[in-house]
Amino acid sequence: GENVEQHPSTLSVQEGDSAVIKCTYSDSASNYFPWYKQELGKRPQLIIDIRSNVGEKKDQRIAVTLNKTAKHFSLHITETQPEDSAVYFCAASKDWGKLIFGQGTELSVKP
Amino acid sequence: DTGVSQDPRHKITKRGQNVTFRCDPISEHNRLYWYRQTLGQGPEFLTYFQNEAQLEKSRLLSDRFSAERPKGSFSTLEIQRTEQGDSAMYLCASRGAIGTADYEQYFGPGTRLTVT
Repeated sequence: GENVEQHPSTLSVQEGDSAVIKCTYSDSASNYFPWYKQELGKRPQLIIDIRSNVGEKKDQRIAVTLNKTAKHFSLHITETQPEDSAVYFCAASKDWGKLIFGQGTELSVKP
Repeated sequence: DTGVSQDPRHKITKRGQNVTFRCDPISEHNRLYWYRQTLGQGPEFLTYFQNEAQLEKSRLLSDRFSAERPKGSFSTLEIQRTEQGDSAMYLCASRGAIGTADYEQYFGPGTRLTVT
């Protein structure tokens, strides 16, 4: 069935370092890959997304890369700040359908 | 506030009771999604609508769960004969029409259900 695996489950970095979170998906028809940030007790909020016709996308300190052949995509956060601390979820979907989420990564940025 | 809204924000109920949640999507969005999230997990898909049509329902979803979107605007999710395992955050999301450039699903604040 449809599945998204996300690693690591927890990640601790020093302020200013980079953080990388990786996801793999099972459904080769997936063509949309968003990343959501969720702070404690709050709704998930989109931070960046990528469609399958693009290999990489960058928005200031955040970038996402996609390898369709390997069915693998990654989130890269550079120059991390304490306010980046949260739980991050990757997801995959086909067209405008449901999102299949990964299990989440709890990122802690230590000042 | 022009975002997705959900009501109530919190619901405590006794096992065996029925509960109903409401979601109001962003006004021009024709797709509406329901997810369930338990502590420490990613949101899990329940069902979704395009306008008033229910297009997909999770195979994991018990027959005790039903959802409607009668006029293609707001949606309701009902859980009958609640069980303790139904305790979770129920999230609603909406998305723009097919063909728009915006693929994003916008989430509401969620309804936290506690079954005692």
